[in-house]
Amino acid sequence: DTEVTQTPKHLVMGMTNKKSLKCEQHMGHRAMYWYKQKAKKPPELMFVYSYEKLSINESVPSRFSPECPNSSLLNLHLHALQPEDSALYLCASSPQLNTEAFFGQGTRLTVV
Amino acid sequence: QQQVKQSPQSLIVQKGGISIINCAYENTAFDYFPWYQQFPGKGPALLIAIRPDVSEKKEGRFTISFNKSAKQFSLHIMDSQPGDSATYFCAASRNYGGATNKLIFGTGTLLAVQP
Repeated sequence: DTEVTQTPKHLVMGMTNKKSLKCEQHMGHRAMYWYKQKAKKPPELMFVYSYEKLSINESVPSRFSPECPNSSLLNLHLHALQPEDSALYLCASSPQLNTEAFFGQGTRLTVV
Repeated sequence: QQQVKQSPQSLIVQKGGISIINCAYENTAFDYFPWYQQFPGKGPALLIAIRPDVSEKKEGRFTISFNKSAKQFSLHIMDSQPGDSATYFCAASRNYGGATNKLIFGTGTLLAVQP
């Protein structure tokens, strides 16, 4: 099973809303990632979790708050987003001491 | 130093032809070079990957050629099919310790295979 599952698939939220994106993998991977992808652009790294600890934050605004409750789950909490934050949010995971990253299908986020 | 340059931006190939996409990098600390295929509205899917100690890797119709001295690598898609029409991203990665790696993507190539 090489599946990374993201929910929801689509999300529309207002600028004052609080919402969360969820990512789950059952491959035993110890690194999990959040990427943001705008239309016709490559994915951009936001956060990396290694062994459930935040190891890389790519200077992401505090309105994005990641959380890794356990080795299989990764959440991205959203608060007071701006319309320019509308994008495809991708979760990925990779095995210990290896670098193949497997991506989920993404959450299409629209901020209105 | 963190960039990966990819060309061409778009590519049109006839069915049965060879699609070639090129990438170049600067940072010699990169030690893993994957290629991803992405269909509209979907997440990137890992196609094939190579490490610098190998000059070529083939999986089915997909081949990566790697030139360490030139810091370049390329994807060849043999016998291209309309179903291969997608956006292709090269990427480069280095390990930051433990299970952490940081994947840097190229700018992408939109491939259209005409029947």
